[in-house]
This record gives sequence, C-alpha cells and structure tokens, in this order.
Amino acid sequence: QVQLQQSGPGLVKPSQTLSLTCAISGDSVSSSSATWNWIRQSTSGGLEWLGRTYYRSKWYNEYAISVKGRITVNPDTSKNQFSLQLNSVTPEDTAVYYCARAPCGGDCYDFDYWGQGALVTVSS
Amino acid sequence: SYEVTQPPSVSVSPGQTASITCSGYKLENKYVSWYQQQPGQSPVLIMYQDDKRPSGIPERFSASNSGNTATLTISGTQAMDEADYYCQAWDSNLGYVFGTGTKVTVL
Repeated sequence: QVQLQQSGPGLVKPSQTLSLTCAISGDSVSSSSATWNWIRQSTSGGLEWLGRTYYRSKWYNEYAISVKGRITVNPDTSKNQFSLQLNSVTPEDTAVYYCARAPCGGDCYDFDYWGQGALVTVSS
Repeated sequence: SYEVTQPPSVSVSPGQTASITCSGYKLENKYVSWYQQQPGQSPVLIMYQDDKRPSGIPERFSASNSGNTATLTISGTQAMDEADYYCQAWDSNLGYVFGTGTKVTVL
C-alpha cells in the first residue's frame, strides 16, 4: 500500500518561497512506472496540477505553464521523497497543496494515491 | 487553454441514479478520470481511463466518455456518496486538466 506523507510550513510571507516535502512509503521515487506530482486546490475548490518529477533512465521534471519559472520539483532518493518549491508567492498561491502518484503503463493518465494535503497560507 | 466544465451541483434521492457530466472539446479523444472528495479529505480516484473502476470502488459507480461529454453515474445512490466530484482529463499536449467540480447532495 502506497502512502504519501506531506510536511512543510503552513504560513509563508508574500514574495518568499513555499517549500513542501512528500515522503513516499510502499513505492520508490525512482520507480520507472510512476510519476510524482504536486497538485493544489484553491480556496474556491478548483484543482490545478503544478508539476512532476520522474525517472526514466534519467530524471525529468515537467511543470504547468501557469507556474513555470517559479516552481521546482525535486526528487530525494536518499530519503525516498520529493519536494516542491514555489518562489515569489502571492496571496493567490494560498491553497491546499497535495502530492500524488500517477501510475504509468506507458502514459500516466490519473492519480491513484494522494497525500493528506497541506493548507499553505500566503500572508504577511 | 483547454477547459473542462461540470455542473456546480446535482441533487439525488437515496436509491436513485445520479449523473454528473464533464464537458470539453472533443473530450472523447482524451482519457478521463473521476475523483470523489469528502469534506476535509484528499480526493480519491473512483474511475480511470474513461470507464475503469479501481479495486475497492463499489460497482454502483460507472462512467463513460463520448463526443464532448464524459459522464459519471452513481446507481442506487447512498448517503455516503454525498461529496464533491471532479473529472480530470489527460492529453499528451495539455497535460492534466481538472473539471470545475460538482457537489452531489443526497436529499
């Protein structure tokens, strides 16, 4: 059974960096049959995919256009986890952030395991 | 950008059938998944690749995808099915796109 455990601060000041970590159990961040994703849910309820990291002989990172240039998703193989960094945050980045696994049989169409979610508030 | 829309709310009586639609241009050309989200909890995958059901998901949940519309059907709706439901499309060019979400109320 895959479990994803999120951690990180719940309050970030405007213009600073939001940082979250997702620890994986029951699978490997280096798995060749999964990708590791960050998704957020705004206060109004909408879900937005932010980015992912995955290993296919080498590491790949892909990001949503809406946050490209501000986002970094990195794997940490020594701790079997992955992280999210979102720079230059504004109050519009206030949301519940989720990490999630996408299983891949070829392409990766959906998210079958989710972290518990973390409310991050951007406020001074 | 690609948009996927859902009705904001659907009401259903216990034991009846609820249908939730998910609309997007040529949606049938994309794989659609469905998630159930209870208040304060993380989304749960309940249907994937248009019409497949993960293990552990009750058979009363089914789904289809044709034309511009994907549909999630809950047959014999139970009180425990009251939740928010989100569709999600995947496309090799667009990546992951979520629907706007539908609140299902069991009256």
